[in-house]
Amino acid sequence: EADIYQTPRYLVIGTGKKITLECSQTMGHDKMYWYQQDPGMELHLIHYSYGVNSTEKGDLSSESTVSRIRTEHFPLTLESARPSHTSQYLCASSGPLAGTDTQYFGPGTRLTVL
Amino acid sequence: AQKVTQAQTEISVVEKEDVTLDCVYETRDTTYYLFWYKQPPSGELVFLIRRNSFDEQNEISGRYSWNFQKSTSSFNFTITASQVVDSAVYFCALIARFGNEKLTFGTGTRLTIIP
Repeated sequence: EADIYQTPRYLVIGTGKKITLECSQTMGHDKMYWYQQDPGMELHLIHYSYGVNSTEKGDLSSESTVSRIRTEHFPLTLESARPSHTSQYLCASSGPLAGTDTQYFGPGTRLTVL
Repeated sequence: AQKVTQAQTEISVVEKEDVTLDCVYETRDTTYYLFWYKQPPSGELVFLIRRNSFDEQNEISGRYSWNFQKSTSSFNFTITASQVVDSAVYFCALIARFGNEKLTFGTGTRLTIIP
């Protein structure tokens, strides 16, 4: 059973607002990921981190930014939300660093920008 | 480069029927891992299974079974005696051991079990 949490689960917000999507895991995993997904559609990697102070952009260009100050915490920020950002955002983690391990996913945040 | 193909976009079966979800993959790496995830309507992605490229033994877990064939680059998933709770989108995924270790997902198969 994975221990990875995302808040909020649902967010409806107006255009231009700054938002932060929270993701935390209690498994001590060093690798964390953010995916963007339209409902029932394929997943697109937008950010990943292999450890504290390490962040990389994923395969899909995104206007969001991430930070990794603590191992367990990997928040995603949108400085100015737009309707095109409406989507589901899924956070995942895996470990250990030296191996290829299973990614476990959080419950997701469904973002709607009006 | 890696690629995962799930040719079946949507499948509908009547409850208690068996159903097989197809997954075909491409990779140049000799060491890789294959995964299946389930995404129910609530939206979370639930891990089902991981197989490594050196283990071609089929696996059974309750009503679920997986058939891995390197000769055809396939990793198919069968649900026996389907139930309504099996309705979900199922994703097949691949990760290469010596690549950048990023998961490559298929486009998913939406499975609907009709009561």
